[in-house]
Amino acid sequence: AQTVTQSQPEMSVQEAETVTLSCTYDTSESNYYLFWYKQPPSRQMILVIRQEAYKQQNATENRFSVNFQKAAKSFSLKISDSQLGDTAMYFCALMDSNYQLIWGAGTKLIIKP
Amino acid sequence: EAGVVQSPRYKIIEKKQPVAFWCNPISGHNTLYWYLQNLGQGPELLIRYENEEAVDDSQLPKDRFSAERLKGVDSTLKIQPAELGDSAVYLCASSPRDGYYEQYFGPGTRLTVT
Repeated sequence: AQTVTQSQPEMSVQEAETVTLSCTYDTSESNYYLFWYKQPPSRQMILVIRQEAYKQQNATENRFSVNFQKAAKSFSLKISDSQLGDTAMYFCALMDSNYQLIWGAGTKLIIKP
Repeated sequence: EAGVVQSPRYKIIEKKQPVAFWCNPISGHNTLYWYLQNLGQGPELLIRYENEEAVDDSQLPKDRFSAERLKGVDSTLKIQPAELGDSAVYLCASSPRDGYYEQYFGPGTRLTVT
């Protein structure tokens, strides 16, 4: 069975600091996609960043970047220069060959002023 | 471009009553998903539509849950009768079509069953 594990239930950092959220996954498939989604307290889930498994280059989106270690099945999210608006639940998700998303349990990130 | 629209945003009902949720996906998106999300957990897929066809309903509790997407656009998810354990947030999402695409989520409906 495919699984996604987020080992940090909650994290908090000061505004402007850098924070890294961990995610590990398990799959036997060779082709898959990985996603980080953000869910602010208002509840609407939005995509932060995505990574194709066949690409070795780590994806980046402005202040957000990933460290994708395929052999280790690790997919961490780094948020640089954190802002108050980054406060949210962050979910790591794996999309398999059936195009189904397998979700982690989430990490609650609190950015303190 | 309008996002995924869901209504109502909140619903409180007594157990054994019926309830329905409505979703309007992003225009042109062929694939539509219904998820259930319990507090502090990730979403769980209930059903996935490709146009008007339910291509994955293996996780839908069919004894009390039903869904439809008659014209391949809007969708309705129904629970009858509701149970206390159905209290959760029901999320709708859409994507252009089946494939390795981003899913766009609506704001969800928070259901409380008393």
